Amino acid sequence: EDKVVQSPLSLVVHEGDTVTLNCSYEVTNFRSLLWYKQEKKAPTFLFMLTSSGIEKKSGRLSSILDKKELFSILNITATQTGDSAIYLCAVENAGNMLTFGGGTRLMVKP
Amino acid sequence: GAVVSQHPSWVICKSGTSVKIECRSLDFQATTMFWYRQFPKQSLMLMATSNEGSKATYEQGVEKDKFLINHASLTLSTLTVTSAHPEDSSFYICSARDVQGVENYGYTFGSGTRLTVV
Repeated sequence: EDKVVQSPLSLVVHEGDTVTLNCSYEVTNFRSLLWYKQEKKAPTFLFMLTSSGIEKKSGRLSSILDKKELFSILNITATQTGDSAIYLCAVENAGNMLTFGGGTRLMVKP
Repeated sequence: GAVVSQHPSWVICKSGTSVKIECRSLDFQATTMFWYRQFPKQSLMLMATSNEGSKATYEQGVEKDKFLINHASLTLSTLTVTSAHPEDSSFYICSARDVQGVENYGYTFGSGTRLTVV
């Protein structure tokens, strides 16, 4: 059974701080790892990672995958209150099935 | 970019009635769509995989007769909650992947449907 574990469960920081969110996984026939941001409604796509060691970057957000150690991190630098959300990590297997982690709830205080 | 439209956004229904939720891929074809359920402060739990032209594949513990899924075309999947009960109240989200699109789109989610059964 595919399994995704995210840590920490929740995080409270102040604006300007840098945060690192963790995602570890066990999956049969790994295809990709995805990061999503969920605010009030449906998750919005952040990154899809398929190869180890290649950092993906979008503004203040970046992510990297380690397929040997089976984990990924999501970094957010210079956090803003608008970054407050639940961040979800999911792994996709060869059968196109997604398994989600429990999410990390991030709160950024002014 | 790939867009998935989900309707309705929210619905309130009486116990015992049925509710249909639609999920449409607007600018791409999706042979497979996924239905998730999300309880408050919890992550997304996959309910079933909807396959165009064939029967849906349900996850363990999900009642097939209660959550009817129909994927009649390459752009539309529907989830019908039959004989709804208050415990069915939840946030339901569909997703699809534009396999012919650029890699960065990954899976696209609908906006979700908040179901409240009274």
